[in-house]
Amino acid sequence: EVQLVESGGGLVQPGGSLRLSCAASGFSFSTSWMAWVRQAPGKGLEWVANIKEDGSTKNYVDSVKGRFTISRDNAKNSLYLQMNSLRVEDTAIYYCARWRIGYMDVWGKGTTVTVSS
Amino acid sequence: QSVLTQPPSVSAAPGQRVTISCSGSSSNIENNYVSWYQQLPGTAPKLLIYQNNKRPSGIPDRFSGSKSGTSATLGITGLQTGDEANYYCGTWENSLSAWVFGGGTSLTVL
Repeated sequence: EVQLVESGGGLVQPGGSLRLSCAASGFSFSTSWMAWVRQAPGKGLEWVANIKEDGSTKNYVDSVKGRFTISRDNAKNSLYLQMNSLRVEDTAIYYCARWRIGYMDVWGKGTTVTVSS
Repeated sequence: QSVLTQPPSVSAAPGQRVTISCSGSSSNIENNYVSWYQQLPGTAPKLLIYQNNKRPSGIPDRFSGSKSGTSATLGITGLQTGDEANYYCGTWENSLSAWVFGGGTSLTVL
């Protein structure tokens, strides 16, 4: 079964850091682009970042550039999102997704990040 | 303010047909593939339509997609109460080198 399982969410104070993980199974992770998408409470979807199969290319939404880093470990079939200098507005459910040309076809159930003092 | 514009809400009766529009520009929809996602309450998004008009395996043919110029449309026929959800369009935005979603459309089946 093709599956993505996120973990690492939690409550963190503004200015703090958090590292999200996404475990992939059931497909060839090492030959798949991957992405993170988030959804603030009661809001729409916002793409956060994506990463090429070998990690050589990464793209970010402007609001997280310089603060978030997407990475992957193909040996562990895992995707990561290192989030630093967190802000209240980063509060959201964070989804991991498999990225294809022009679409995202496999999604995890998400992990919740709350940034609050 | 989203780069892609969708109506906030649409509604129709069971069994009827509804369309959801997604308006963009030459730097996004016109020159890139569009995909559509369904998000049922409390669940993760699900791919409905990819590469403008293709359906993934398991998506019924009641769902269709089309694109013309700088706009795309999602069509749903034979509406069911289980179709009540938020629907999002998405595409690549060349000027930002970033993926963008529409603001989402809430579908109510009356």
